[in-house]
Amino acid sequence: DQQVKQNSPSLSVQEGRISILNCDYTNSMFDYFLWYKKYPAEGPTFLISISSIKDKNEDGRFTVFLNKSAKHLSLHIVPSQPGDSAVYFCAASGNQFYFGTGTSLTVIP
Amino acid sequence: DAGVTQSPTHLIKTRGQQVTLRCSPKSGHDTVSWYQQALGQGPQFIFQYYEEEERQRGNFPDRFSGHQFPNYSSELNVNALLLGDSALYLCASNSDPASAAYNEQFFGPGTRLTVL
Repeated sequence: DQQVKQNSPSLSVQEGRISILNCDYTNSMFDYFLWYKKYPAEGPTFLISISSIKDKNEDGRFTVFLNKSAKHLSLHIVPSQPGDSAVYFCAASGNQFYFGTGTSLTVIP
Repeated sequence: DAGVTQSPTHLIKTRGQQVTLRCSPKSGHDTVSWYQQALGQGPQFIFQYYEEEERQRGNFPDRFSGHQFPNYSSELNVNALLLGDSALYLCASNSDPASAAYNEQFFGPGTRLTVL
């Protein structure tokens, strides 16, 4: 059973515009959520996280929003840059870490 | 400050063989987790080691086993390899479960296993 879902396999955005990546989860007991970025031939790199007691966390161009009632989180990247092109995974922490299937972001110069 | 390292980077085995993958955690980390990432999928949790004990285990058969050494490095062993075991195997480390930074896992580059 997929407890963390990323329903958009890919997303293309123009440079300078906002990228919004979405993630849904099913388990209300998750207490921490994370976003990872992955380039080809590399392991995932931690990007930003949010505790379940918050609804927003911001770090530079990256902001994560958490809507617990909808069991939904999103990652906003503003402004998007070509170097942001990568696969983005959302993950949730309970007794273990659960990952979504990833969204491939392409930022077009 | 060395990050998470894994060896080998690539490995080719045949069905029925056994394989051992190795991982050294990031400096200062004592918890190691292993993940399997099949093509087009997200990482799937195999198990986690802390204080040389298996602390959590995902939905993987007993053919998958592991070990953690006193220096916190870890091995993943897979016996009786199947074609479906072909995947990228990722190792991740983080600080101990009681730490505030526990949730921030750092990943190695992975070992690409191909089973023929």
